Amino acid sequence: DAKTTQPTSMDCAEGRAANLPCNHSTISGNEYVYWYRQIHSQGPQYIIHGLKNNETNEMASLIITEDRKSSTLILPHATLRDTAVYYCIVRVRTGNQFYFGTGTSLTVIP
Amino acid sequence: EAGVAQSPRYKIIEKRQSVAFWCNPISGHATLYWYQQILGQGPKLLIQFQNNGVVDDSQLPKDRFSAERLKGVDSTLKIQPAKLEDSAVYLCASSFNRGVGNEQFFGPGTRLTVL
Repeated sequence: DAKTTQPTSMDCAEGRAANLPCNHSTISGNEYVYWYRQIHSQGPQYIIHGLKNNETNEMASLIITEDRKSSTLILPHATLRDTAVYYCIVRVRTGNQFYFGTGTSLTVIP
Repeated sequence: EAGVAQSPRYKIIEKRQSVAFWCNPISGHATLYWYQQILGQGPKLLIQFQNNGVVDDSQLPKDRFSAERLKGVDSTLKIQPAKLEDSAVYLCASSFNRGVGNEQFFGPGTRLTVL
């Protein structure tokens, strides 16, 4: 049911920016893009969400292309604690249901 | 602010036995979700409650799984009888409401092993 495509895994050097891509080519006009992450043995944690405009909060930035068919999550200065599985999710129904894919496993390397 | 609480954290049972999981959402959150996460996969939504009513249970295997949220606060998820393929982490989440932008807060999960 997931309508997103993400790379299976990525590495990033500590202190560098981590750029995690996501394709959602079938996204509808009223569907939001959400990002969550899951650190080992914990529940998923909300990061950021957006509709059309780029968004930034204390954790990350979200860049959505003009045609909305893809997006990139940016962690500006990755730390070892950012090692986790990152999920890109498109809300495909009303009612706040989420459909997670398999995500991207990000490893931050010292 | 207290987070979503779940118990037990771990459970080991034999196939065909029954098991129940408990979830206490964040105070004031109207919407509660149960997810199943099989090893190596993302979480899969099983059921969503709005207060004490079911919003979506389309992916709940109703022949063996049941869930309730009688007073619109705590919730229990039951499996009866369990199968080997039910081995997974069961995650509970809550949000203030159902609308866009309502962040889901997840509990630590219950890891179920069916032998």
